[in-house]
Amino acid sequence: DIQMTQSPSSLSASVGDRVTITCRASQSMSNYLSWYQQKPGKAPSLLIKAGSSVESGVPSRFSGSGSGTDFTLTISSLQPEDFGTYYCLQSYGVPYTFGQGTKVEIK
Amino acid sequence: QVQLQQWGAGLLKPSETLSLTCGVSGGSFSGFYWSWIRQSPGMGLEWIGEIDHRGVTTYNPSLQSRVFFSVDTSKSQVSLSLTSVRDTDSATYYCAKGRVLGWLLSDNWFDAWGQGVLVTVSS
Repeated sequence: DIQMTQSPSSLSASVGDRVTITCRASQSMSNYLSWYQQKPGKAPSLLIKAGSSVESGVPSRFSGSGSGTDFTLTISSLQPEDFGTYYCLQSYGVPYTFGQGTKVEIK
Repeated sequence: QVQLQQWGAGLLKPSETLSLTCGVSGGSFSGFYWSWIRQSPGMGLEWIGEIDHRGVTTYNPSLQSRVFFSVDTSKSQVSLSLTSVRDTDSATYYCAKGRVLGWLLSDNWFDAWGQGVLVTVSS
């Protein structure tokens, strides 16, 4: 199985801060990576697909980059509604595997 | 906009069979693959597998011996069965809309999710 290592596991940042979350894959996987946001008690919601393509309706402050083994989710200017837990998902190999999550708190 | 609605039993005893159903509305059912994903505090998010309207499946090898997906195209529903459940199967189970029919397995992401069903396995 492809292991996805996310970092950090949690972070606390202020409104307006630039936030970066990384995912590292245990093997090269092109850009077969997506990012999700999950609010407490809710299902995850797609933010980024194919490494860097922002899902329709997602604010432009969210962006994704990377290819191979290293991927990044960036929130350019953190907003109060961006709290939650963020996950990466690799779809390069079966079984698909998720990162362990990054919990984002607003200071 | 596609919507997914899930239902099924939430409390099971060890060795029983978990059965959940996911109904799809508001969009194409036959044009996509439909995945099941579970989430637990201990295991995080775990992809269980996917099925299309023809019944073509791909399962997570770690669960393949106990899991079975079925489809009812007349009702736009997919169902999950997991046999011989144990306490480690306790989780919130989600269905999700995945890749377009005909796309590669790798061209996959989940852009619509059901509300989730909390399943607890306890004697």
